Amino acid sequence: DSGVTQTPKHLITATGQRVTLRCSPRSGDLSVYWYQQSLDQGLQFLIQYYNGEERAKGNILERFSAQQFPDLHSELNLSSLELGDSALYFCASSPRSADLNNEQFFGPGTRLTVL
Amino acid sequence: DAKTTQPTSMDCAEGRAANLPCNHSTISGNEYVYWYRQIHSQGPQYIIHGLKNNETNEMASLIITEDRKSSTLILPHATLRDTAVYYCIVRALTGSARQLTFGSGTQLTVLP
Repeated sequence: DSGVTQTPKHLITATGQRVTLRCSPRSGDLSVYWYQQSLDQGLQFLIQYYNGEERAKGNILERFSAQQFPDLHSELNLSSLELGDSALYFCASSPRSADLNNEQFFGPGTRLTVL
Repeated sequence: DAKTTQPTSMDCAEGRAANLPCNHSTISGNEYVYWYRQIHSQGPQYIIHGLKNNETNEMASLIITEDRKSSTLILPHATLRDTAVYYCIVRALTGSARQLTFGSGTQLTVLP
C-alpha cells in the first residue's frame, strides 16, 4: 500500500459525458501527478500540481483539467469523453524533498471505460 | 531526458537472479537512472535509483557501467511475485518538473 488513494476504482460512462477522478496523496506529500495508461500509448504524464499550483503539463488534452485543493487532494476532470479516453488513470505523489530522489508513490488507479 | 532501450521481455527461473539490462547511451552527467516496476495493472512501484555508483536496497541492486551508458537491475532471488513490467528511466533532478517519462519497459516473467 503506497498510501495514495484514488476513487473510484472503476468508472463506466458514455461518450460525451464528464467525470471526475479523485486522488488523495500520502500524508505530507505536496506534489501530485496524474498519468494516463492506455493500451496503445503506455504510461503518459498528464499534469503535476505542487502545493495547489500547477507545476508542469504533459500530454493533457484541452478537454481535461485538474486542480489541487488546500487539503492537497487533487481532482482530474475529463469532459466530452471519447472512446479513446478509456484508460487507467494513475495519481502519484511525492514529498517536498522529492528534489533529492524523485521517488513517486503511485495510487491503485481508476479504470475508466467509455462506451 | 535521455532515451532508454530495454529488451521487450525476459524470463527467469524462480529463485534465480534476474538481470534486467538498460541502455542509456545519451545520458548526461546530471541524469540519474531510476527503476520502477508495474505489476499487472497496479500502480508503478519505485525500486531503486543511482547516479554512477552501484546501489543496493532491500529490493534490488543497480549496477551502472563506468561510462554510465548502460545499467543492470538485479533481483537477487526472483519470486513469482516479481513478474511485472520493469521500467528504466533516466531523469535529471534539476529543472522545474518532476514527472517520469516511461518507455515500453521489460516484461519479466518469473517461471516456477
